[in-house]
Amino acid sequence: GAVVSQHPSRVICKSGTSVKIECRSLDFQATTMFWYRQFPKQSLMLMATSNEGSKATYEQGVEKDKFLINHASLTLSTLTVTSAHPEDSSFYICSASLGGTEAFFGQGTRLTVV
Amino acid sequence: GQQLNQSPQSMFIQEGEDVSMNCTSSSIFNTWLWYKQDPGEGPVLLIALYKAGELTSNGRLTAQFGITRKDSFLNISASIPSDVGIYFCAGRAGGTSYGKLTFGQGTILTVHP
Repeated sequence: GAVVSQHPSRVICKSGTSVKIECRSLDFQATTMFWYRQFPKQSLMLMATSNEGSKATYEQGVEKDKFLINHASLTLSTLTVTSAHPEDSSFYICSASLGGTEAFFGQGTRLTVV
Repeated sequence: GQQLNQSPQSMFIQEGEDVSMNCTSSSIFNTWLWYKQDPGEGPVLLIALYKAGELTSNGRLTAQFGITRKDSFLNISASIPSDVGIYFCAGRAGGTSYGKLTFGQGTILTVHP
């Protein structure tokens, strides 16, 4: 089946630094990728929808300058958390859609800001 | 915005028992999906429902798309220890498979051997 891979799976960074999370569709071309944030024991909250070659569409309340999304190719989208703070610590999950099928989720990235 | 209410929030059952969980929405969805998430992992799709009234099975799992388009349930029969995890419903209002999803709050399932 289709595989979506996120890297890294875990990252610890210092407050004030930036961290990049990659989401790759390994065996298909993803026209659309989604980025979610999940707090412990809570649901997935959509942050933004990313289409290849165009600007991401952010959900209300999500800071565009804080969470930079780049979907440069049909197999790669990146989420950069800029000037990270402890409150940005969370589980970030991407999903990728081939179109015509339901999106496949990556394994998630646990971000801890210290 | 659209909201999904998923219940129960958690369940503690004995191995072999059947499980039922449901989701209700304040608005109509055209697609209902059920996912399972293991700790530290992304969600995995269990069942997808695309038509009101549709009843679909996947092994010991059965899910139905409510006739009103505002609810769905998931049943797990004869539970086993590996069923442990968090189950999420998700709904999509749009007609395309790449439209955004709204997730329920999740049901934490614990199965005692």
